[in-house]
Amino acid sequence: SQQGEEDPQALSIQEGENATMNCSYKTSINNLQWYRQNSGRGLVHLILIRSNEREKHSGRLRVTLDTSKKSSSLLITASRAADTASYFCAITHPLPAGKSTFGDGTTLTVKP
Amino acid sequence: NAGVTQTPKFRVLKTGQSMTLLCAQDMNHEYMYWYRQDPGMGLRLIHYSVGEGTTAKGEVPDGYNVSRLKKQNFLLGLESAAPSQTSVYFCASSYSTASGRVDEQFFGPGTRLTVL
Repeated sequence: SQQGEEDPQALSIQEGENATMNCSYKTSINNLQWYRQNSGRGLVHLILIRSNEREKHSGRLRVTLDTSKKSSSLLITASRAADTASYFCAITHPLPAGKSTFGDGTTLTVKP
Repeated sequence: NAGVTQTPKFRVLKTGQSMTLLCAQDMNHEYMYWYRQDPGMGLRLIHYSVGEGTTAKGEVPDGYNVSRLKKQNFLLGLESAAPSQTSVYFCASSYSTASGRVDEQFFGPGTRLTVL
């Protein structure tokens, strides 16, 4: 499968703690993106990291990419109950142009 | 701007019936996608399009057909629905870069389909 694989499948933490989730993939990529999905809703884009980048920040989010290990991690710092959601990584492929595949996601629960 | 819209929001079909799901975007995006999401799972790419008049197969194309006659619309058809096609269907669109790279995808709210 060309999909990303997230780890862990589920994560439960207390409010204020940091949450780390990982994504591994098998093919070469153009970029890797992280999305969030609240229960019963569509996906919302969080952050994109290009294949030539190693780290990126956006607010409380930090994403790293290691193309030699074909892996990425998403860190959410100082988590809040409102961060409770499922998080997915998406890989965009160099070829064919336009193709994008998702992993199975990590379900994050942040307890107040 | 409405973004990405999907119709209908819910549908119940009997095995063997056909239906068409409509996706519309008003962002002038070149790329459009149809995904399905089964309970507790990620998104599986069914078909996608890199421009008006083009379509391509994704990971799970069997049992589905698509058409992109207009740039703003992407239709997903089920010719003979099966219970295995019970799922939530998401449409997405994205602008294309000069190199054909896909950046941020914008998602519709989803269509919940049940096939009895």
